[in-house]
Amino acid sequence: DSGVTQTPKHLITATGQRVTLRCSPRSGDLSVYWYQQSLDQGLQFLIQYYNGEERAKGNILERFSAQQFPDLHSELNLSSLELGDSALYFCASSAIENTQYFGPGTRLTVL
Amino acid sequence: AQSVTQLDSHVSVSEGTPVLLRCNYSSSYSPSLFWYVQHPNKGLQLLLKYTSAATLVKGINGFEAEFKKSETSFHLTKPSAHMSDAAEYFCVVIGSNYKLTFGKGTLLTVNP
Repeated sequence: DSGVTQTPKHLITATGQRVTLRCSPRSGDLSVYWYQQSLDQGLQFLIQYYNGEERAKGNILERFSAQQFPDLHSELNLSSLELGDSALYFCASSAIENTQYFGPGTRLTVL
Repeated sequence: AQSVTQLDSHVSVSEGTPVLLRCNYSSSYSPSLFWYVQHPNKGLQLLLKYTSAATLVKGINGFEAEFKKSETSFHLTKPSAHMSDAAEYFCVVIGSNYKLTFGKGTLLTVNP
């Protein structure tokens, strides 16, 4: 158990809908990262937050957004969902040593 | 920019035989490198990491990796495979903005 929690574990929704994925980092970790894992794209970095501020952006679509709250948990919002957004979404957290610890993931299925 | 190339998409070994999963990296500076493992329907678990200390890094479950700057490699090895090692393995390099870049993964199959 990495200490990173993600909810929900599974999410099934329809095209055009909006969903919110939640992540709680390990105790004391200030950085939160979001990744998408799909069969065709592999594992891709989406976005990083550090202590509430956006730190780095990767291949995140404009339809997607994230935020980190004062209690350091983070949410990834996915809107206007398309079939191609079906994937595993991972959250990771790290302290200052850069090692990232991953949560169990949220499997999103868009029908 | 940094990148990693995992040279084999699939490796198959017999239980009790050695495991070798190959990874080459590209980085414009001294990199930090990681190996993560993903068991079916599970999250990613850190196996080991190299951060410019000892070039031979020992990880969990008997795995180790050797950083070879001259060959730009960071291959993962284990002397004796166990059935529970069957999983997908990812070689990862970290960039200056702490962004992880993943290789495409190597699926390890362990045959009885």
